[in-house]
Amino acid sequence: GEDVEQSLFLSVREGDSSVINCTYTDSSSTYLYWYKQEPGAGLQLLTYIFSNMDMKQDQRLTVLLNKKDKHLSLRIADTQTGDSAIYFCAEIRDTGRRALTFGSGTRLQVQP
Amino acid sequence: NAGVTQTPKFQVLKTGQSMTLQCAQDMNHEYMSWYRQDPGMGLRLIHYSVGAGITDQGEVPNGYNVSRSTTEDFPLRLLSAAPSQTSVYFCASREGTGESPLHFGNGTRLTVT
Repeated sequence: GEDVEQSLFLSVREGDSSVINCTYTDSSSTYLYWYKQEPGAGLQLLTYIFSNMDMKQDQRLTVLLNKKDKHLSLRIADTQTGDSAIYFCAEIRDTGRRALTFGSGTRLQVQP
Repeated sequence: NAGVTQTPKFQVLKTGQSMTLQCAQDMNHEYMSWYRQDPGMGLRLIHYSVGAGITDQGEVPNGYNVSRSTTEDFPLRLLSAAPSQTSVYFCASREGTGESPLHFGNGTRLTVT
């Protein structure tokens, strides 16, 4: 999705924190989502944040939202090899379709 | 719970052939959709449905048809396959409200030669 941008690749060492960034362009977005895709599988919802929040924490995951800059990030604490996957951010817009618009995905590689 | 089930998992077609990708969900979700995933392009919406008997076009609908005769099933039809339709196809569903998260199937990998 050209309206949602992510960097393509991130490499971290096991035990470090990972930060995956996303920018979006539609200020009317109401919810923003993070999905994880493991090889050969569908997308699994990790977490989501409503646009009137600026932070949400769920165990090792922290989502930060800067609505002014239209910037979303996902921080994974104590990254494990099992976290290696592609991570997609997605926005849902206040339009008739109410469909998700996805970024291109960030491939996270965790090195032992 | 089965969730969202897609069949087949893999398919190879020759140019011009037709086929139907099946999608079924057992969560009584009103909203169902089809996405295609291509390298470096994320997921793009093909068609969607907000309930039985109602379908509408997404971002990339050309070359695909859908129908929604029941709440559970949302098949995607390729009428005359083209190499440009080589992709991984995902079906997804959610409850009727716009903010509830999408649940994805495991995908169908389609190759058109």
